[in-house]
Amino acid sequence: QQQVKQSPQSLIVQKGGISIINCAYENTAFDYFPWYQQFPGKGPALLIAIRPDVSEKKEGRFTISFNKSAKQFSLHIMDSQPGDSATYFCAARAGYSSASKIIFGSGTRLSIRP
Amino acid sequence: DTAVSQTPKYLVTQMGNDKSIKCEQNLGHDTMYWYKQDSKKFLKIMFSYNNKELIINETVPNRFSPKSPDKAHLNLHINSLELGDSAVYFCASSQAVHTQYFGPGTRLTVL
Repeated sequence: QQQVKQSPQSLIVQKGGISIINCAYENTAFDYFPWYQQFPGKGPALLIAIRPDVSEKKEGRFTISFNKSAKQFSLHIMDSQPGDSATYFCAARAGYSSASKIIFGSGTRLSIRP
Repeated sequence: DTAVSQTPKYLVTQMGNDKSIKCEQNLGHDTMYWYKQDSKKFLKIMFSYNNKELIINETVPNRFSPKSPDKAHLNLHINSLELGDSAVYFCASSQAVHTQYFGPGTRLTVL
């Protein structure tokens, strides 16, 4: 059972373009939505995160858009750069106890063409 | 200084063998995790320890046994390795439910 659905599986964007990765969830108990970035041979690293009480969060060139009624959220990378080429994972978590698990999406391999 | 370190980085072994992966964090975190990333990059939690106590134990074969000798260490022992165990195993740590910091991963190949 995939609780967080992510698309597309892979994405190629020209340098300077906008990269958009989409995620959807079913579990309304989810209350924390992080995005992780993973470079080849490295572990995932937290990129940006949002809680459902806001519709958008921006950090530099990275923006999360959140639609609570549609149970969807997306990552936008503005002015995409070759250094952004990596695998991106959306994720979700329900609750704030030590037993709360982060559920990851299936990942999007992003390639930025120079 | 490496925040979350794992050894070894690569592990190649025969089916049926027993192997261990070690993890150490120097962030002073109280919670540590083991994740498995399969060949399709799908990342799934296996175990979580909080202050040396097992708090998350996903549907993992009992051939996998985590051990936390102290808050800074979480090791993973795997008995009777199978072909399907081939994957990248990531250790992570966090302070309670805050940001998880991942190690560099251990690529396990079972022949």
